[in-house]
Formats: sequence, structure tokens, C-alpha cells
Amino acid sequence: GESVGLHLPTLSVQEGDNSIINCAYSNSASDYFIWYKQESGKGPQFIIDIRSNMDKRQGQRVTVLLNKTVKHLSLQIAATQPGDSAVYFCAGEGLNSGGSNYKLTFGKGTLLTVNP
Amino acid sequence: GAVVSQHPSWVICKSGTSVKIECRSLDFQATTMFWYRQFPKQSLMLMATSNEGSKATYEQGVEKDKFLINHASLTLSTLTVTSAHPEDSSFYICSARGTGASYEQYFGPGTRLTVT
Repeated sequence: GESVGLHLPTLSVQEGDNSIINCAYSNSASDYFIWYKQESGKGPQFIIDIRSNMDKRQGQRVTVLLNKTVKHLSLQIAATQPGDSAVYFCAGEGLNSGGSNYKLTFGKGTLLTVNP
Repeated sequence: GAVVSQHPSWVICKSGTSVKIECRSLDFQATTMFWYRQFPKQSLMLMATSNEGSKATYEQGVEKDKFLINHASLTLSTLTVTSAHPEDSSFYICSARGTGASYEQYFGPGTRLTVT
């Protein structure tokens, strides 16, 4: 079955540093990946996504890298700010158990703490 | 745009009672809605996928008779936790996917359920 996991459960950085959060996935059939930010007591917030036909995508202060060869993706946050402190989840999209819909499978999450 | 709301944001109920959670897409039509459950310090786990006008597809291990899902319109899906027990206490999050070609799921803010 598909699984998506993270290498590091926690990451602590200084304000202004760059942060890198990693994620591994197992289902080579997944063709769409998303990074979400979740603050305490709130729903996930979309950060950036990438299709499997790309290996890099950039947004505002964020970059997602996808390495299909080793089934790995990463989220890079430039000039990390205290407001970036949250749990970050990667998710991959594949078919659900009935084969009738695409579903997201979430990784375990990484808690990012930004120290001022 | 693409706002999803949930009601209530938190609820406390007694063991053995049922509780209904609503998920609404406020500014778009959602052909597919998803229900997730998240325990403290854990990831989001998909419970079921519902398509408007048809029965929900439940993930393996999720009791369909306990977690009743209704997706009667393109803007509303409900999750009813029947005969709730303390172990059902969790953070329930819905998401919605629009009618267009976009893969993106838009997440609600979540509902905190506490069963006493």
C-alpha cells in the first residue's frame, strides 16, 4: 500500500535561517504531492504542490523538490520566520481503497520551531 | 475563494449519544468531500470519501455504521458519529474538491470532538 513518511519529527531553526523538511513516499504511482502547514487546532493549509512530471517548483519563500528515483521530496523554506512555526505534512495522491477516487495519504508530520 | 467551513468548531457529548458535524463549501461546488480524523500529535487519517448523491467510500477499518456520512448537495456533507465513546474523541477535518480539473483539496478548520 501507499505510505508517505518523514525523516525528522522535529526541526528547530533560528529566525532567518533556511529550513529543509524531508519526506519519503512508497507508491511510485503517486503523481501529485502537496505540502501542508498546520497550526495548532486548525486545519491544514496548502503551501505548495508539485506534479510528478516536475522535479522542482518554487513559490514565495518556499521550494519543493521531487526526486522520483529515490521517492523523496523536500520542502525548503527560505529566511524562516517565527510565523512559520507549525507542523508540516507532506501528502501524496493515489487511488482510494475502492479504486473509485483519488485520495491523499499524509506523512507523519514535522514540527518546525523557529527561534527568534 | 475556495473556503470550507465546519460546524461546530468544537463539541462535547456524553458517551452513547450521537453528534453531527457539518462541512460546507462556501464559494464553490464540491463534487467530492473527504473526512479525516486526527489524534493528538498524529497525522491526518482519511476516514471516507463522499461524492455528491452517492454512498460514501470508507477506508479500511472505518465502521460505516458508526460514522454516517451524507453528501446530499454540492455544498454540504455531514458526518454523524453514532453512539460515541471516549475513544472517538478526536479532531475531525473535512476537505472538498471542486468540479474543475484541479487536484487541490480545500480543508476546513476542523471540529474538536470530546466524548465524556
